[in-house]
Order: sequence, then structure tokens, then C-alpha cells
Amino acid sequence: DGGITQSPKYLFRKEGQNVTLSCEQNLNHDAMYWYRQDPGQGLRLIYYSQIVNDFQKGDIAEGYSVSREKKESFPLTVTSAQKNPTAFYLCASSIRELAGSYNEQFFGPGTRLTVL
Amino acid sequence: GQNIDQPTEMTATEGAIVQINCTYQTSGFNGLFWYQQHAGEAPTFLSYNVLDGLEEKGRFSSFLSRSKGYSYLLLKELQMKDSASYLCAGINDYKLSFGAGTTVTVRA
Repeated sequence: DGGITQSPKYLFRKEGQNVTLSCEQNLNHDAMYWYRQDPGQGLRLIYYSQIVNDFQKGDIAEGYSVSREKKESFPLTVTSAQKNPTAFYLCASSIRELAGSYNEQFFGPGTRLTVL
Repeated sequence: GQNIDQPTEMTATEGAIVQINCTYQTSGFNGLFWYQQHAGEAPTFLSYNVLDGLEEKGRFSSFLSRSKGYSYLLLKELQMKDSASYLCAGINDYKLSFGAGTTVTVRA
């Protein structure tokens, strides 16, 4: 079955520790995205990547880092510089985007990160 | 971002119809998506509009007016399982900008 996996579903970390969230897809999608969702707010884009070895900052990239060494994988590191890291993190992928084209994003199940 | 605005909450009775409105900035607009999200789960795709008019998919329909920067999602014959958050998202320069979501509660 094709899809996007994120693990773990729940993650707890102590303040000041870096933590890496995994995202893997076997949909053969070129583009991948990381979003953060807080209660009462919409999804906010952290980073996105349209092709291997390339990625771009989204609207709230500060305190986060990513890598895209493989097409299937787009891990997100939440660093100690992120002031308020507790949130629900969603990874998504889509076919490579062209301006004006249809590009439905498929979402993973999410990781709920709690920093104690 | 696209400054996506949608109501925070709506309540309706099982079997009824509910219309969720969404407004957005029109500059750089390339299309509008609607997603459904149940609590604690990932959003799932409902519809995509790039041209003006109504797109119907079973009990759900989505409408777009590009000149007015306006869309709505229409949910007909409401069922209890339709209780969820509905996210409006505009695409602009390869990126999706999401609204805060509208929480729909369906009551018996």
C-alpha cells in the first residue's frame, strides 16, 4: 500500500533537547512538506522540498531544520532554538508542483510532540 | 500567505445542510482546496477548485468565485461522522496557505 508514515505518533522530550521527527513516503512524490498545527490555528508551513537535495523555508522555519537526501524521506529536526515546540506536526507529499497545476497534498498521520 | 478566513464553528442537525464559507486574497491565486480533519488525525482531501462554479461530489459540493475571492463547502444530508474540522486552503506560488478551520458539530 502506498502512503506516508510518520513515527512515532506521540513523542515527549525535555526542554533544550533536539528531536528529529521522521517522515517517509512510497508514493514516488517529488515534493514533501512539514506543517505545524496548534489548537485553534490552521496548518502553518515550516519547510518544503520540491526535489531531492533541495528545500525551502516556509512561513515559520526558525528553530527547525530539515534534510532531503532521499526522495522517500524528509526528516524534521526541532532544535532547542524553537521557543514553543509543543504541537502537532504533519508531513505531506505531492507530485512536483507546477504553477497553476493541481497538486493535492497527501498527509501522514502526524506526530504529537510534547516538550516537558 | 493568502489570509484565508473561515468561521470558527458551526452546528447543525443530522440530515440537514451546512455551508462553510471561505474568503481569500486573490493575488497570486492558483486554486483552492478543502480538506476534512477529524480530531487528532491527518487532513484528508475533499475537493479542489481552480475555475469558477460548483463541483459536486456526492453529499459534498464546493463552489468558487475567483473575482470575489470566495469559496464555500456545502455538506448535505449531514451524518454524525461529518463532525470534524473543515480546512480551506489556497495555493499560491507552489505553497498551500490554510485557514484556521471550521469545526462542524452534527447533533442528533
